[in-house]
Amino acid sequence: QVQLVESGGSVVQPGKSLSLSCAASGFPFRSHALHWVRQAPGKGLEWVAVISFDGTNKYYADSVKGRFTISRDNSKNTLFLQMSSLRAEDTAVYYCARDSSFCSGGTCYSGYFDYWGQGTLVTVSS
Amino acid sequence: DIQMTQSPSSVSSSVGDRVSITCRASQGISRGLAWYQQKPGKAPNLLISAASSLQSGVPSRFSGSGSGTDFTLTISSLQPEDFATYFCQQVNSFPWTFGQGTKVEIK
Repeated sequence: QVQLVESGGSVVQPGKSLSLSCAASGFPFRSHALHWVRQAPGKGLEWVAVISFDGTNKYYADSVKGRFTISRDNSKNTLFLQMSSLRAEDTAVYYCARDSSFCSGGTCYSGYFDYWGQGTLVTVSS
Repeated sequence: DIQMTQSPSSVSSSVGDRVSITCRASQGISRGLAWYQQKPGKAPNLLISAASSLQSGVPSRFSGSGSGTDFTLTISSLQPEDFATYFCQQVNSFPWTFGQGTKVEIK
């Protein structure tokens, strides 16, 4: 079955960096775009970033552009999120999520998140 | 960015009740809308895509309707496992955005 398992969340001081990982299994990893979505404590959902199935295209929410970098390693079925210049407002549970579209080429995203990991908590605090 | 507004923010209902949640987009999104269910401490679960297409394994008591700017999620007969928070999400225009959520509580 499809599994997405995030790791790397912790408490970090403002201005510091942190890297998250998401290990995937149970589906053809290199055929799906992947996303990071976050949820601040007690709040709603915010899409953060997407990476295409082959890693060539990446898009970010304005709130993280220039500070966060999404990447993937298709040989290891792993998604990454490198976060720098962290702010208090970045405090959230970070989920990796699979895009529902099956990609065989081109830029393909549906924007529908059909499988999610369990999330990893990032707390930015001094 | 497209703003998504859900109403109500919360609703108290009993098992067996019919519950409807609405989602309004700040501009037309055709049928590019999803509904998710989230239970406390868990990740969201995709219920409906393309405004009305039920995901595999989702009970038929869930249904979605609408197009353009106004959408509705309906639970025809509320079951104990349906008490949760529901989010809408537009996929028509980048960046993808969510509504603020509707909490369905036990009366």
